[in-house]
Amino acid sequence: AQSVSQHNHHVILSEAASLELGCNYSYGGTVNLFWYVQYPGQHLQLLLKYFSGDPLVKGIKGFEAEFIKSKFSFNLRKPSVQWSDTAEYFCAVIPSGGYNKLIFGAGTRLAVHP
Amino acid sequence: NAGVTQTPKFRVLKTGQSMTLLCAQDMNHEYMYWYRQDPGMGLRLIHYSVGEGTTAKGEVPDGYNVSRLKKQNFLLGLESAAPSQTSVYFCASSQGDRNYGYTFGSGTRLTVV
Repeated sequence: AQSVSQHNHHVILSEAASLELGCNYSYGGTVNLFWYVQYPGQHLQLLLKYFSGDPLVKGIKGFEAEFIKSKFSFNLRKPSVQWSDTAEYFCAVIPSGGYNKLIFGAGTRLAVHP
Repeated sequence: NAGVTQTPKFRVLKTGQSMTLLCAQDMNHEYMYWYRQDPGMGLRLIHYSVGEGTTAKGEVPDGYNVSRLKKQNFLLGLESAAPSQTSVYFCASSQGDRNYGYTFGSGTRLTVV
């Protein structure tokens, strides 16, 4: 079945450590790619998105993601995490066709310790 | 402020009761969606609408009904609530052009006891 896979369900880091969260999708054709963040008790916020062009996308709060078409991947990175990055991170895809439906991965819970 | 508004924000239901969740958007978006969020499962699409008067099933439609009588509103109904429907429900809207992404509401936390 077509899907969005996030490799890590839980990640624990110390402040200043580097972060990379994996995301793979199984849809062919043109895709739009997103990373959302959900801070504790809050709703979803868009971190960054990729539609076309430069495969390295920069988002808010120092996050970036790289689209590698050959690997069907869209990994999220941050060089140095802060305690305030503690949140749940969701990768999501809009496949071509299909009424703009946004398909989510299961999410990765990130805990950053001071 | 323009955006997507969900009401209510919290609700506790007894098994077998019914309720309707309201989603309203003021951005003149064509497409609207209802998702549920459960731990470890991300957000799953329940139903969606591609325009006034239209609805379609998503990934997990069973036990839910929807209506889109007005373009700005998308209602999610639970006719006979079950504990398995305890979840956080998010509404979203989009222009229908896949390059514009989504606007999400702040969510409704529903507990069925």
